[in-house]
Parts: sequence; structure tokens; C-alpha cells
Amino acid sequence: EPEVTQTPSHQVTQMGQEVILRCVPISNHLYFYWYRQILGQKVEFLVSFYNNEISEKSEIFDDQFSVERPDGSNFTLKIRSTKLEDSAMYFCASGGNANTEAFFGQGTRLTVV
Amino acid sequence: AQSVTQLDSQVPVFEEAPVELRCNYSSSVSVYLFWYVQYPNQGLQLLLKYLSGSTLVKGINGFEAEFNKSQTSFHLRKPSVHISDTAEYFCAVTPSGGYNKLIFGAGTRLAVHP
Repeated sequence: EPEVTQTPSHQVTQMGQEVILRCVPISNHLYFYWYRQILGQKVEFLVSFYNNEISEKSEIFDDQFSVERPDGSNFTLKIRSTKLEDSAMYFCASGGNANTEAFFGQGTRLTVV
Repeated sequence: AQSVTQLDSQVPVFEEAPVELRCNYSSSVSVYLFWYVQYPNQGLQLLLKYLSGSTLVKGINGFEAEFNKSQTSFHLRKPSVHISDTAEYFCAVTPSGGYNKLIFGAGTRLAVHP
């Protein structure tokens, strides 16, 4: 069964460093999303991406964040200068079209120290 | 804008007992409704969804949910739970007419005891 794959499963980084979280969506999907879940809190929408551009972003998704689909298969989330409060589980999701649900990856746990 | 309220942060229950996890939503437009489950140290898995049609929706693992438009609720039920149902359950909404960003509730931790 096709699935969304995220790497790495756990990343530890020092405050101020750049991190790139990687996702391989389901191959024929067109809609891509990043969500995050701070420990013990709700899952929050970060950004949606369609047709090679951001279609919507939340107030959390500030200039420190960027997304890219560099090669038609990967979908990445970059955090330029990490802060302690960026520590969270980051989920990638993809959807086939505007009327189907998104499928979530297993998540990347980011720990900023 | 949409919002989701899950009324119980934790629900303890004995194995083989019935359970109901409550979800209420607020929206000025029609919505699609979802329940996701998150097992320990795992990602989010779709349990069931309501898009349109019958208000009683059946999902995986014996779960079902009923959409009640007048009460703006989408409660999740299972007639007999197993130890393996211990997990975090999230209710979510998105405006209908297109799959957009999901707005999640805070989650309900279901703890099934032997």
C-alpha cells in the first residue's frame, strides 16, 4: 500500500542551525502539507503546497520556514535558524486531489537544544 | 474560520466496555469531518470521515461516528473496546467543497484497562 515516507525519524540540532525535513509523498498525489505537533499539544497546520507553490500558510509559518519540491518526488521543509520552540513532531501529508483526505507520514521528531 | 472542541482530554475505560469520544465543531460554512488515531510513537491514521450523505459513518477497527448538524457534533463510538485501542484520538474539520487544511481538536487520550 502506498504511503508517505518521512526522514529522518528523529533529528537533534543546535539552536540557530538550519534543518531540512524530508518527505516522499504518495507518487500520484498533487497536494502536499506540513503540520506540527508540539509535545502534549494539538496538531497544527503549517503550510499547503500545490502546483509548485504555497496555496495557504498559517501564522506559524514565518520567514524562518520554507518548503520546496526540488525534484518531483521529495517535499521538504526547511527551518533556517532553529529556535528551542521549534522542537516538535513534524508531519508531512499528501492528497490526491482537492476532494480526498490527506495521508500522513510517520513524522519527524525535531529536538532543538 | 473553523474550530474543534474535544470535550474530554482523557477517557479511561475497561476492556470490552463501550466508549464515546466527543467532538463539537464551529464553522460558518459546511465542513468535512474526520477522526484520526495516533498510536504511541506513530503518525496519524485516518479512522473515518464524513463528507456527505448518511450521517452515520463506519470506519476501521469497529469505530463509527455520527454527524449531527443541529448540534454541530461528530462523536466517535465503539461498542466494545480492546486494549489495542489505547491511543490518542483527534477530531478534525476542513471546509467542504475541497480538501483544505485540517483544523484539529486537542485530542482525547483513550486508555483501555484490563
